[in-house]
Amino acid sequence: NAGVTQTPKFRILKIGQSMTLQCTQDMNHNYMYWYRQDPGMGLKLIYYSVGAGITDKGEVPNGYNVSRSTTEDFPLRLELAAPSQTSVYFCASTLGRDRGANTEAFFGQGTRLTVV
Amino acid sequence: GDSVTQMEGPVTLSEEAFLTINCTYTATGYPSLFWYVQYPGEGLQLLLKATKADDKGSNKGFEATYRKETTSFHLEKGSVQVSDSAVYFCALRPLRGSSNTGKLIFGQGTTLQVKP
Repeated sequence: NAGVTQTPKFRILKIGQSMTLQCTQDMNHNYMYWYRQDPGMGLKLIYYSVGAGITDKGEVPNGYNVSRSTTEDFPLRLELAAPSQTSVYFCASTLGRDRGANTEAFFGQGTRLTVV
Repeated sequence: GDSVTQMEGPVTLSEEAFLTINCTYTATGYPSLFWYVQYPGEGLQLLLKATKADDKGSNKGFEATYRKETTSFHLEKGSVQVSDSAVYFCALRPLRGSSNTGKLIFGQGTTLQVKP
């Protein structure tokens, strides 16, 4: 039972480079999320999706893009990496709207990104 | 806007000591409340939850009660173990009628270290 899988686990980028953080879930969840975790700051929502083809901005979307072409996959794209994007990134998923109030969010193990 | 505030850490306790981690929130309406735990090198896992006032969530010896009058959801455990060493996050899920998207708002996290 894989749950939410993120790749890569670690990455070092140079300023101005681009990369895609991959996230896939095998629980047939409708809702998916990208959060970033900065030291002492908790997790902040970057983007979320309520279903294939539907995405929306969270609290801190600048510098990122997402797409959701399938239920399973929700990649996060960094186009021009900046030092401020050094963080740990978590992908999460939940079952969906009808049970939204009580539904547990499942998290991936995270991607630790350093931009130098 | 909605927010969550946790007591600052780190919290260092001896094994079998009593644990309290304070959490207060600001939100309109009746959000759902959660505690998540993050063990070293791992993603977040749901520890317990409560979805309405006076509900008590419990799991693995941890408890928290949803207090609407004090807007609090403090985490407690009667006797901590070394294996409880982790980062604990309090979170809320706002409910906005039909626009519930399942996204979570997190506190900054509290690091717990339990010494033998």
